[in-house]
Amino acid sequence: NAGVTQTPKFQVLKTGQSMTLQCAQDMNHEYMSWYRQDPGMGLRLIHYSVGAGITDQGEVPNGYNVSRSTTEDFPLRLLSAAPSQTSVYFCASSSTWRQQTDTQYFGPGTRLTVL
Amino acid sequence: GNSVTQMEGPVTLSEEAFLTINCTYTATGYPSLFWYVQYPGEGLQLLLKATKADDKGSNKGFEATYRKETTSFHLEKGSVQVSDSAVYFCALSGTTTGGYQKVTFGTGTKLQVIP
Repeated sequence: NAGVTQTPKFQVLKTGQSMTLQCAQDMNHEYMSWYRQDPGMGLRLIHYSVGAGITDQGEVPNGYNVSRSTTEDFPLRLLSAAPSQTSVYFCASSSTWRQQTDTQYFGPGTRLTVL
Repeated sequence: GNSVTQMEGPVTLSEEAFLTINCTYTATGYPSLFWYVQYPGEGLQLLLKATKADDKGSNKGFEATYRKETTSFHLEKGSVQVSDSAVYFCALSGTTTGGYQKVTFGTGTKLQVIP
């Protein structure tokens, strides 16, 4: 049982490049989400999904796209990278979007630097 | 909207000292409250949670009590160890008008325990 996995662990991009951060979970969780972590700002929600084919925006969605074609996978796409997107990105999942008591399970993170 | 305020860090303690990390929240309704811990280079993991007023969450010697009257969820440990050095996040989970779980994180408090 791998839990939540993310690739790559580190990435350096040049301004304007695009890339996809991968996230997968093997717990059959309905709810998946992407956060970015910046110093002094905690975790901010980028996008989330309540099931295959259903996604929605979080607090800071601009510059990012998501899709969810399967229960397991929830990739995050940076369309045209900007230095402001330099951050640590975490994918998280929980068993259901309906219960506010549910625990979030986090991946190990991707550290992204945009030059 | 919902918000979580936690004490600024870093907090530096000697081994076996008593730890308190303050957390207060603003929320509508009856949220669930969580403490997550992030060890260096890793993702967040659940430390403890409480889902209703006066509940006490506990794990690994850490405790926190859900105080609705003071809207607080302070984290305490009687005797910290070097291995407790990490960043601690207070979080609340509520329900949006659309019925979805929404998690709001504090900015994190870094704890350093010295031998």
